[in-house]
Amino acid sequence: GAVVSQHPSRVICKSGTSVKIECRSLDFQATTMFWYRQFPKQSLMLMATSNEGSKATYEQGVEKDKFLINHASLTLSTLTVTSAHPEDSSFYICSAPSHREGGYTFGSGTRLTVV
Amino acid sequence: AQSVTQPDIHITVSEGASLELRCNYSYGATPYLFWYVQSPGQGLQLLLKYFSGDTLVQGIKGFEAEFKRSQSSFNLRKPSVHWSDAAEYFCAVGAQTSYDKVIFGPGTSLSVIP
Repeated sequence: GAVVSQHPSRVICKSGTSVKIECRSLDFQATTMFWYRQFPKQSLMLMATSNEGSKATYEQGVEKDKFLINHASLTLSTLTVTSAHPEDSSFYICSAPSHREGGYTFGSGTRLTVV
Repeated sequence: AQSVTQPDIHITVSEGASLELRCNYSYGATPYLFWYVQSPGQGLQLLLKYFSGDTLVQGIKGFEAEFKRSQSSFNLRKPSVHWSDAAEYFCAVGAQTSYDKVIFGPGTSLSVIP
């Protein structure tokens, strides 16, 4: 079936540094990738939608200069958390529509801890 | 506006008892409907999905859900709960007309008493 590989699964970084999260579609082409954030004991909130070759669309309240999204190819989308702060600590998860599966395929998530 | 509500924040059931988790949605178009489960510290696992056809959908781990258009509901059920079913459950809705974003409900936390 369709698989989205997300790396890293866990990352700890110092405050002020940047962290890049990658999502790769392994056996299908993902023209669209959705990026979600989940704070502890809360639901998944959509941050942004990336489309291959074009600028990402950000949800209201999400800082586009802080959360840089790149979708340069049909199999790779990246989310970079710039100048990370402790309040950015969260679980980040990507998802791509999967025409073959008739739904959406989720990555396994990245747990970011900023210290 | 698109939205998903899960009225029960937390549910506790005894092992072997039946379970029903409620989900209501508000969506302008004909929706895709999903139920996901998330164990602590883990990613999401798809339990089942509804696109069209039979309104009673069978999923993995013995779960089923019924789509009721008139009630805008997609409740999840299991006849006999196992201790390993303790987790967070999310109902979600997406568009059928295009691969639009998926909106998640707030989640229901399930505890199972031995």
